[in-house]
Amino acid sequence: NAGVTQTPKFRILKIGQSMTLQCAQDMNHNYMYWYRQDPGMGLKLIYYSVGAGITDKGEVPNGYNVSRSTTEDFPLRLELAAPSQTSVYFCASSYWPGEAGYQETQYFGPGTRLLVL
Amino acid sequence: QKEVEQDPGPLSVPEGAIVSLNCTYSNSAFQYFMWYRQYSRKGPELLMYTYSSGNKEDGRFTAQVDKSSKYISLFIRDSQPSDSATYLCAIPNQAGTALIFGKGTTLSVSS
Repeated sequence: NAGVTQTPKFRILKIGQSMTLQCAQDMNHNYMYWYRQDPGMGLKLIYYSVGAGITDKGEVPNGYNVSRSTTEDFPLRLELAAPSQTSVYFCASSYWPGEAGYQETQYFGPGTRLLVL
Repeated sequence: QKEVEQDPGPLSVPEGAIVSLNCTYSNSAFQYFMWYRQYSRKGPELLMYTYSSGNKEDGRFTAQVDKSSKYISLFIRDSQPSDSATYLCAIPNQAGTALIFGKGTTLSVSS
């Protein structure tokens, strides 16, 4: 199993450009997540998905969009890139999220480093 | 008050030292506590988890929860250069839909 894969590894965008960060998992996990990690700031949840066709906002969704047409793929779309979106983006997946106050192990991809200039 | 607070460090220790990494949390209803380890330029991976109070040991690593003071700790005995990484505490939100991460503590172990 490849686990969670992300492409590209690194990208430089100009202000106002758009791009899609790709994420795929081959573990047949139902739940998938997108986080961003800024230096010294931990991980912030952008969006998550509970299954194909179902997505919901996390803590910092503004400026991003997601879709989930298959169990395996969960792309993150950046429209009109801004310098504030310079960050490292991580995709993660879990078999099921758990229940109130409990979480299954989340498996993370290697990340995409994005620089917006 | 933030839900999870963690001192980002950095923390530098010599090989063989005992390391203590700590987080505090605000919601007394939290029961499940996780530690993720993140090597440089890699994604986080689950290191340990504990449920409710008490200790859990795995080799050189011990996770401890003190619910009375809302304090969680990760102890590393006989630290090795390979332990150099960022350690993030994480707590599930009340809905069980996501993890709330601390800022992470960056540890460097020198040989």
